[in-house]
Amino acid sequence: EVQLVESGGGFIQSGRSLRLSCAASGFRFDDFSMHWLRQGPGKGLEWVAGISWNSDTSGYGGSVEGRFTISRDNARKTLSLQMNSLTGDDSGLYFCARAPGGYSSPRFDFWGQGTRVNVSS
Amino acid sequence: DIQMTQSPSSLSASVGDRVTITCRTSQDIRNYVNWYQQKPGEAPKLLMYFTSNLKGGVPARFSGSGSKTEFTLTIGGLQPEDFAIYYCQQSYSAPWTFGHGTQVEIK
Repeated sequence: EVQLVESGGGFIQSGRSLRLSCAASGFRFDDFSMHWLRQGPGKGLEWVAGISWNSDTSGYGGSVEGRFTISRDNARKTLSLQMNSLTGDDSGLYFCARAPGGYSSPRFDFWGQGTRVNVSS
Repeated sequence: DIQMTQSPSSLSASVGDRVTITCRTSQDIRNYVNWYQQKPGEAPKLLMYFTSNLKGGVPARFSGSGSKTEFTLTIGGLQPEDFAIYYCQQSYSAPWTFGHGTQVEIK
């Protein structure tokens, strides 16, 4: 059974840092690019960051570029997101998702249940 | 960034109705559109990719069409389990962007 389980969310003050993790199981992790997406309270979906299967390619949404860093450990089947200089706009439910094929043209074919981040000012 | 404009933002329909959701993009994205369904308290689920390819396990009442800048998701014969929010997403050019969603409600 495919599983993606996010962790690391919580309440944090504006300006601080937080690290999210995603544990994958039930599929061959290094066959997929991996991504973080988020959903603000009552809002739609926003792609945050993505990384290719071998970490050669990564990319970020404009609102997080320079503050967030995505990484992966294929041996441990984990995906991480280091989030620095957090603001209230970063609050939301953070999902980990996989995308088959290469890093380009992703379709997010399986999502975790998400971990919630609340940034207070 | 490529803008995705979905319409309508919400609709009310009855079981058995045919429903169409439209997604317009700010530039030609060929056929690089994917569609997702999200129910309350759940993660989004992929329904359709590259405009018209149904993900395995998704009922055949869902169909997709379009090209360039205009795309549609059609539900042919709405079922009770289809009441949800639907999002389009472009996979043509990073950053990968989503429409704002269409909420399908029970009439």
